[in-house]
Amino acid sequence: DAGVIQSPRHEVTEMGQEVTLRCKPISGHDYLFWYRQTMMRGLELLIYFNNNVPIDDSGMPEDRFSAKMPNASFSTLKIQPSEPRDSAVYFCASALPLGTGGRNEQFFGPGTRLTVL
Amino acid sequence: QKEVEQNSGPLSVPEGAIASLNCTYSDRGSQSFFWYRQYSGKSPELIMSIYSNGDKEDGRFTAQLNKASQYVSLLIRDSQPSDSATYLCAPGGNSGYALNFGKGTSLLVTP
Repeated sequence: DAGVIQSPRHEVTEMGQEVTLRCKPISGHDYLFWYRQTMMRGLELLIYFNNNVPIDDSGMPEDRFSAKMPNASFSTLKIQPSEPRDSAVYFCASALPLGTGGRNEQFFGPGTRLTVL
Repeated sequence: QKEVEQNSGPLSVPEGAIASLNCTYSDRGSQSFFWYRQYSGKSPELIMSIYSNGDKEDGRFTAQLNKASQYVSLLIRDSQPSDSATYLCAPGGNSGYALNFGKGTSLLVTP
């Protein structure tokens, strides 16, 4: 399996522009998570889905952020308009149904490094 | 806000020594706990998950959980330079998955 796939790997944009990050989870995983990581705040959960349905979006910073999962193999995280404080590494992770294998492991993608100028 | 506290380090240990990483958490309802390792510039990867009080061993790694004290630790025996990384602690939320990560402890194993 190719693992979790994220694109783009790097994104540099100017303040006010729309940014769309993409994620393809591992086939068969029915949980999908979006995280943001910065030095100051660490790794923060933004939102997670189960079977394409958003379960908890309490970590989404504000209305500028939105996430969708139109099908089991694709999710997007959109920031509109982007601001310099959104600069971070954004990770997508996927997981098997709870209890499968006993480890409840999340598999992380390589991340998207976003820089907003 | 449910707090997860870790010493940011860096924790420096000589090769072959035991590295001890500690984590405290505020959510008494947490039933599962996770240790993830993150190399610089890479994504986190799961090392250990633990659900019951006591010790759980996996190779050179031992996780220790004390729910009464709201404390979980990770011991790395025979530390190797390849263990140099940041270690993230995370209690499992209602979902059962690690959702609320600590900021991590940076470990440096010196040859």
